[in-house]
Amino acid sequence: AQSVTQLGSHVSVSEGALVLLRCNYSSSVPPYLFWYVQYPNQGLQLLLKYTSAATLVKGINGFEAEFKKSETSFHLTKPSAHMSDAAEYFCAVSDQRFPGAGSYQLTFGKGTKLSVIP
Amino acid sequence: DGGITQSPKYLFRKEGQNVTLSCEQNLNHDAMYWYRQDPGQGLRLIYYSQIVNDFQKGDIAEGYSVSREKKESFPLTVTSAQKNPTAFYLCASSPGTGEPPAKNIQYFGAGTRLSVL
Repeated sequence: AQSVTQLGSHVSVSEGALVLLRCNYSSSVPPYLFWYVQYPNQGLQLLLKYTSAATLVKGINGFEAEFKKSETSFHLTKPSAHMSDAAEYFCAVSDQRFPGAGSYQLTFGKGTKLSVIP
Repeated sequence: DGGITQSPKYLFRKEGQNVTLSCEQNLNHDAMYWYRQDPGQGLRLIYYSQIVNDFQKGDIAEGYSVSREKKESFPLTVTSAQKNPTAFYLCASSPGTGEPPAKNIQYFGAGTRLSVL
């Protein structure tokens, strides 16, 4: 079964500093990978997705992630943190435990809360 | 605007009471999901439905029930058998058809926060 591990439940960075949020996955088949962001008391919003077309994926709000098969990683980065980036970030992998009429589940990591210090 | 609407935003349950959380989508998606979110535990799948009149248990279905009588609606009932219902509940939908990964992308509602009185 697929699983996702996010290292660090809480990450703090200074405004303008590099953001690095780590995600490692386990999958017996080539995975589909996603990063979502959640602002307080809101639902999740898709940041970016890995489609196998390119190992470096660009998303919204200046975020990007690099797929590294040899390291089974899909870390999320942003060159310069902004106060508005403070949120919780979730990595997810498509889960083929429940194959059906074309719908695959997503298995989510436990999330990393990002704080940005002014 | 297309999207997922969850209501109410806040809900309080009394001892022994069943409560129902609403989830409506106008994205014409086939698949719908219910998750429970507790601090530090990520999202845990309660139930999911791939098509109308069909649904399957997720990882933590005990104490919950669902129905899928219409494509756009997937209500969740938290029954009195759920002894620890206090959590943030999220509903999501995905196309369910087409090519991956587009069919896998889940779109979320704004959530319902359930508390016990």
